[in-house]
Amino acid sequence: DADVTQTPRNRITKTGKRIMLECSQTKGHDRMYWYRQDPGLGLRLIYYSFDVKDINKGEISDGYSVSRQAQAKFSLSLESAIPNQTALYFCATSDSRRGYGYTFGSGTRLTVV
Amino acid sequence: GQNIDQPTEMTATEGAIVQINCTYQTSGFNGLFWYQQHAGEAPTFLSYNVLDGLEEKGRFSSFLSRSKGYSYLLLKELQMKDSASYLCAGGGSYIPTFGRGTSLIVHP
Repeated sequence: DADVTQTPRNRITKTGKRIMLECSQTKGHDRMYWYRQDPGLGLRLIYYSFDVKDINKGEISDGYSVSRQAQAKFSLSLESAIPNQTALYFCATSDSRRGYGYTFGSGTRLTVV
Repeated sequence: GQNIDQPTEMTATEGAIVQINCTYQTSGFNGLFWYQQHAGEAPTFLSYNVLDGLEEKGRFSSFLSRSKGYSYLLLKELQMKDSASYLCAGGGSYIPTFGRGTSLIVHP
């Protein structure tokens, strides 16, 4: 089983729909992150969480929300999806005790039509 | 602010050596990462430099000069499977800023 699991792997949704992307991890890491990747733009941080009660906005948080349900689970929601949210979304984890190195999930390819 | 710059694309021949450069301007510095990402897949961790100098790990080496805001990833004995995007990432407070990635194409 993967250390960081994202569901779904692929999703097509309509403009205006609410959608949730889920991430769970078995690495025991305390820190979790959501990134989106667009061609030519690299990875951009949406939200991050350093522990269960900690939620922080990244550089592109508008239109997104997150929930850290447990240390192992971190979900990303698009309240009202729009076409420019079409992207590849990655969840990542890291361990504050080691201080470096992300483990990424396999990604969710989201298409908003 | 944080700004990471790396070339968009590079090509090289199988068996050769290639160096991918990365420059950064960071308001705080807490290390420089390199990740490899094959098309449609997740990035995977290659290296982390926090002190100046060269770190060697098999065919891959990574170099850092903090005074120059400069790093490079050196790939030796290139193989076709090394065709991928290489992401440079750095910054402070354990939240690195990612560069846009360098797409490396290895041809026979």
